[in-house]
Amino acid sequence: EDQVTQSPEALRLQEGESSSLNCSYTVSGLRGLFWYRQDPGKGPDFLFTLYSAGEEKEKERLKATLTKKESFLHITAPKPEDSATYLCAVHGSSNTGKLIFGQGTTLQVKP
Amino acid sequence: SAVISQKPSRDICQRGTSLTIQCQVDSQVTMMFWYRQQPGQSLTLIATANQGSEATYESGFVIDKFPISRPNLTFSTLTVSNMSPEDSSIYLCSVEQTDYGYTFGSGTRLTVV
Repeated sequence: EDQVTQSPEALRLQEGESSSLNCSYTVSGLRGLFWYRQDPGKGPDFLFTLYSAGEEKEKERLKATLTKKESFLHITAPKPEDSATYLCAVHGSSNTGKLIFGQGTTLQVKP
Repeated sequence: SAVISQKPSRDICQRGTSLTIQCQVDSQVTMMFWYRQQPGQSLTLIATANQGSEATYESGFVIDKFPISRPNLTFSTLTVSNMSPEDSSIYLCSVEQTDYGYTFGSGTRLTVV
């Protein structure tokens, strides 16, 4: 059964304090691993798709990396506007279009 | 990326009633997906809606409770039937987008009282 576990559940950072969010997964035939940002009361906003181990993608202060068992979302010098819940999801080969989501990491960045 | 419009954005409903949620996409898509996000939880797929065929439901979700329509390639509806407080959730529709992963609508926040 495909499964995604995110850690930590919650993370508090000072502005400028870099850190990483973890997404551990088990999946039958990874077709893609996705990172989303979700603000309260809104739908998830797409950040990255990673397809194979060793792949990395960057966007502003965010960098996503992928191994065969986990993905990291690195946040460099975060700002208060980076505060949100970050969701990780996988798409396995046995599930057409179905994403399996982790519980998310709620990030709070204090000025 | 595709723009997805969901209506209503929120609603408060009496138990025992039904609510139909609309999802409009600004481009044609083959599959549309309906998710539920219960309070404090992550997203769970309810069903996949293909145009011209019956929706495919995930384990734990049934057509009588969550009937879905897919009349064309840009539109779908999800009805939450005979609601109870346990149905209070955010309901989201989603489509697959090349280079953008899966795009989500802004969601419908449903409260059942």
